[in-house]
Amino acid sequence: TQLLEQSPQFLSIQEGENLTVYCNSSSVFSSLQWYRQEPGEGPVLLVTVVTGGEVKKLKRLTFQFGDARKDSSLHITAAQPGDTGLYLCAGALILTGNQFYFGTGTSLTVIP
Amino acid sequence: DSGVTQTPKHLITATGQRVTLRCSPRSGDLSVYWYQQSLDQGLQFLIQYYNGEERAKGNILERFSAQQFPDLHSELNLSSLELGDSALYFCASSVGGGTGTLREQYFGPGTRLTVT
Repeated sequence: TQLLEQSPQFLSIQEGENLTVYCNSSSVFSSLQWYRQEPGEGPVLLVTVVTGGEVKKLKRLTFQFGDARKDSSLHITAAQPGDTGLYLCAGALILTGNQFYFGTGTSLTVIP
Repeated sequence: DSGVTQTPKHLITATGQRVTLRCSPRSGDLSVYWYQQSLDQGLQFLIQYYNGEERAKGNILERFSAQQFPDLHSELNLSSLELGDSALYFCASSVGGGTGTLREQYFGPGTRLTVT
């Protein structure tokens, strides 16, 4: 069982639609990050959220950290084909410090 | 381009063999992280070094070892290779390496290891 479970695992939508990806855990994290990974490349950091309840917006992407610091969500408005990729959440547990855990991943395909 | 370099890009070897993967962090970054990515396990944290010292350990097998050299480049050594070790191995680097808060990690392009 993975520490960070993401849903959905796969998502295929039409250009212009909205979507939300979820990252859930039963553990408490000191902070969470979201990455996007394209085929054959390493993950690229999108955002870091550190405060429970925090909301960050980056253009069409909105990230939220749960109040209890156990979950996070990524909302994309008006998805574009360039948003296609594997989205990964990652966190460091409060208790174990530097050991990082990546989520199970959400593969997004945006169809033109 | 993240500024993190990894060599080789592809590696094909036989079971039982030993290989070394190399990583050069971004200029100025003191921390190096190693990850393994496979289809069934996802992205798994292996180990972190900070300024030459081991800082954190994840799901790293005893057959695997790593080190960070004085010039801050790092090597991941994989020995007694098994078919299940076939995966993408990523290196990442960050400026800091303290506990608690995730650092902004920059990932290299990865090394694809195939064990036959």
